[in-house]
Amino acid sequence: SYVLTQPPSVSVAPGKTARIPCEGNNIGIKGVHWYQQKPGQAPVLVVYNNNDRPSGIPERFSGSNSGNTATLTISRVEAGDEADFYCQVWDFSDRVVVFGTGTKVTVL
Amino acid sequence: EVQVVESGGGLVKPGGSLRLSCEISGLTFGRSRVTWVRQAPGKGLEWVSSISGSSNYIYYADSVRGRFTISRDNARNSVYLEMIDLTADDTAVYFCAGAEGSLTTVVTLDYWGQGTLVTVSS
Repeated sequence: SYVLTQPPSVSVAPGKTARIPCEGNNIGIKGVHWYQQKPGQAPVLVVYNNNDRPSGIPERFSGSNSGNTATLTISRVEAGDEADFYCQVWDFSDRVVVFGTGTKVTVL
Repeated sequence: EVQVVESGGGLVKPGGSLRLSCEISGLTFGRSRVTWVRQAPGKGLEWVSSISGSSNYIYYADSVRGRFTISRDNARNSVYLEMIDLTADDTAVYFCAGAEGSLTTVVTLDYWGQGTLVTVSS
């Protein structure tokens, strides 16, 4: 089965840039989506199809995907960005939705 | 505005059963895929099951296949998750998520409900 691996945690100072990697075998050929989940809340889609943003999501959130790593980048980090972030793909061959292991972003 | 509301969670004994419901408004429901995702306490997101708008395509995670059944009633804008033979490992918040579009090449989970808690304990 397809596995997506993320670092458990990323720390970043306010105003700086946070980068969250998501590693998977040949993930560069897949569409990767990213979700932000704040404590006690439902996840929210922040990036889809590698680097598209739903309406209402700030331009500070962007994504990239190549080779074996997809990356979510949060520019000019704010205290309100503190949350868990999950990458996700659709594994077409096995017909399953796969989530990454999740990364907790802490704003210092 | 899209609204997703889950219901039906609660406390159930091991080996018991439960039926979750998810009602979605604000989407062209009959053309929307719907997915159940669960999150055990303190853990990450786990995909459970997805169903296409016409119910032609239905998929399950290995961990629930044979015990959970997903279905939908497009007249009621609702999707259901029938769960049997529940164990402690099924204890989780169950989220429902909808999105317009098919269940083929691109599967995003655009709109989420707040979840319903299922606790399996004696």
